[in-house]
Amino acid sequence: EDQVTQSPEALRLQEGESSSLNCSYTVSGLRGLFWYRQDPGKGPEFLFTLYSAGEEKEKERLKATLTKKESFLHITAPKPEDSATYLCAVRTPGSARQLTFGSGTQLTVLP
Amino acid sequence: DAGVIQSPRHEVTEMGQEVTLRCKPISGHDYLFWYRQTMMRGLELLIYFNNNVPIDDSGMPEDRFSAKMPNASFSTLKIQPSEPRDSAVYFCASSQALNQQFFGPGTRLTVL
Repeated sequence: EDQVTQSPEALRLQEGESSSLNCSYTVSGLRGLFWYRQDPGKGPEFLFTLYSAGEEKEKERLKATLTKKESFLHITAPKPEDSATYLCAVRTPGSARQLTFGSGTQLTVLP
Repeated sequence: DAGVIQSPRHEVTEMGQEVTLRCKPISGHDYLFWYRQTMMRGLELLIYFNNNVPIDDSGMPEDRFSAKMPNASFSTLKIQPSEPRDSAVYFCASSQALNQQFFGPGTRLTVL
């Protein structure tokens, strides 16, 4: 059974304090790892897709990386507006277009 | 593009009542997904459609739940009869390629 585990569950940072969120997965044949951002009261918003180990994607203060067992979402010099829950999800061959989501990391950036 | 549209945004009902949630996917998307999100279980896929045809409904919790997609621009998720444990946020998402799914704003359902 495909499993996706995110850590930590919650993270509080001071503005400008860089850190990383982790998404580890146990799947048979990864067909894509997805990062989403979810603000309170809203639906998840797509950030990145990674397909192969070694791949990296960047967007503003966020950079996502992928290894064979995990993905990291690095946040450089975060701002309060980066506060949100960050979700990762995986797609595997047997799941067609389904995604298996992790439980998320709730990030709070304090001014 | 307006994105995925869901209605209502909030629904409060009493146990035993029928609840219908509605979704309009992004035009041109051929996949539509219904998810449920709770604090305990996170985001769970309930059912998804491809070209209006249900492909996998293994995530539908019980026979009380049903979903339809009569055309490419409209889908419904119905709960009959509703129970307090159905209280959650229900999301609709759509996609075209094997890439990202676009989520709607969700419907917050409270069953008293």
